[in-house]
Amino acid sequence: SSELTQPPSVSVSPGQTARITCSGDALPKKNAYWYQQKSGQAPVLVIYEDFKRPSEIPERFSASSSGTMATLTINGAQVEDEGDYYCYSRDKRGDRWVFGAGTKVTVL
Amino acid sequence: EVQVVESGGGLVQPGGSVRLSCAVSGLTLINSEMNWVRQAPGKGLEWVSSISISGRTANYAESVEGRFTVSRDNGQNSLHLEMHSLRAEDTALYYCVADFETMVNYYWGQGTLVTVSS
Repeated sequence: SSELTQPPSVSVSPGQTARITCSGDALPKKNAYWYQQKSGQAPVLVIYEDFKRPSEIPERFSASSSGTMATLTINGAQVEDEGDYYCYSRDKRGDRWVFGAGTKVTVL
Repeated sequence: EVQVVESGGGLVQPGGSVRLSCAVSGLTLINSEMNWVRQAPGKGLEWVSSISISGRTANYAESVEGRFTVSRDNGQNSLHLEMHSLRAEDTALYYCVADFETMVNYYWGQGTLVTVSS
């Protein structure tokens, strides 16, 4: 079982805000990363080190982390944002990594 | 442009072995930690292994520790994963992934499929 807990699904209408949470006991001390995976494609890094966004990722993607919870926010979600989103961080041992089970985001 | 290309997947019998390779171009691997991530059909992502820039430190998921061995050749800009005692639950698409600066798992290949079945 994953040490990072995500909701299975989130559904929003186009233009609304989607929020995906990720909870884990190690998050207060470890950075969280977020990946987007569209159907049939390799994942893409959308957030690193809790809140930083790669330059090619749209500004509508943002994230924060507080205590045992990390949150990915998509402001003004668009249809092309549909996909599975995974959080990722170190485990309690600190030398292994773990993915959350993933959250399916639907925008319709 | 950075390209990450995995190879070596295929059909293997339970208990068998396979060696995956990953060739990276457009990126100097001496600056990147490297990782293997897998995805079983219809399932989520699972971290498998990471190896330090020098290759001296490697870590493994509990599910593969003792059966898989990761190695890298910085001169050849390549990464490898030796997989032994394979089980049906190892069936997955195996991705080779490179870190870039502090961006963990930034460059992804398209994966190579390993199917463990008799």
